[in-house]
Amino acid sequence: KNEVEQSPQNLTAQEGEFITINCSYSVGISALHWLQQHPGGGIVSLFMLSSGKKKHGRLIATINIQEKHSSLHITASHPRDSAVYICARGGDDKIIFGKGTRLHILP
Amino acid sequence: SQTIHQWPATLVQPVGSPLSLECTVEGTSNPNLYWYRQAAGRGLQLLFYSVGIGQISSEVPQNLSASRPQDRQFILSSKKLLLSDSGFYLCAWSSTPGYGYTFGSGTRLTVV
Repeated sequence: KNEVEQSPQNLTAQEGEFITINCSYSVGISALHWLQQHPGGGIVSLFMLSSGKKKHGRLIATINIQEKHSSLHITASHPRDSAVYICARGGDDKIIFGKGTRLHILP
Repeated sequence: SQTIHQWPATLVQPVGSPLSLECTVEGTSNPNLYWYRQAAGRGLQLLFYSVGIGQISSEVPQNLSASRPQDRQFILSSKKLLLSDSGFYLCAWSSTPGYGYTFGSGTRLTVV
């Protein structure tokens, strides 16, 4: 069992829809990351959070430490948001990645 | 500010050829450095990490090796590539283990 589980694995939505991607982890963390991987493979770090909520533009990340759960939300989704979104937990001296959620926003 | 450089961005190599991927970090000293691989359809997997010059820890036995010849330089190598080495390789650094990771832009390796 992967220590970091994401859902859904794939998500297709219409432009403008509110998107939620979920991440659950099984071990306590020092930090949780949300990453965006573009079709060409390049990875951008979106958020790093250890508690509460962070917002950047149309992206919102929340984390519930007690429930070991985090969510990434995208408001007013756009086709350029199409990418793979990866959740990763930092712990000990290494980081464990989820398998990613492939998001496709239709125009 | 701190930056991380990884190159090349893409690489196509024949089976049996050697490999050298380089990652350098600027703007910090004594970073913790990491190499990850993402095989097709799978999540990112830790290959190596280093907490200092010459200190390399391997997570997964494989056809690859890593070296850290300088404080801010991390190199991933292979003497003879296998088809199964194809994938996306990502370098990362952190100042504190388990926290504050910054990622390189990645290298897509195709072994043919």
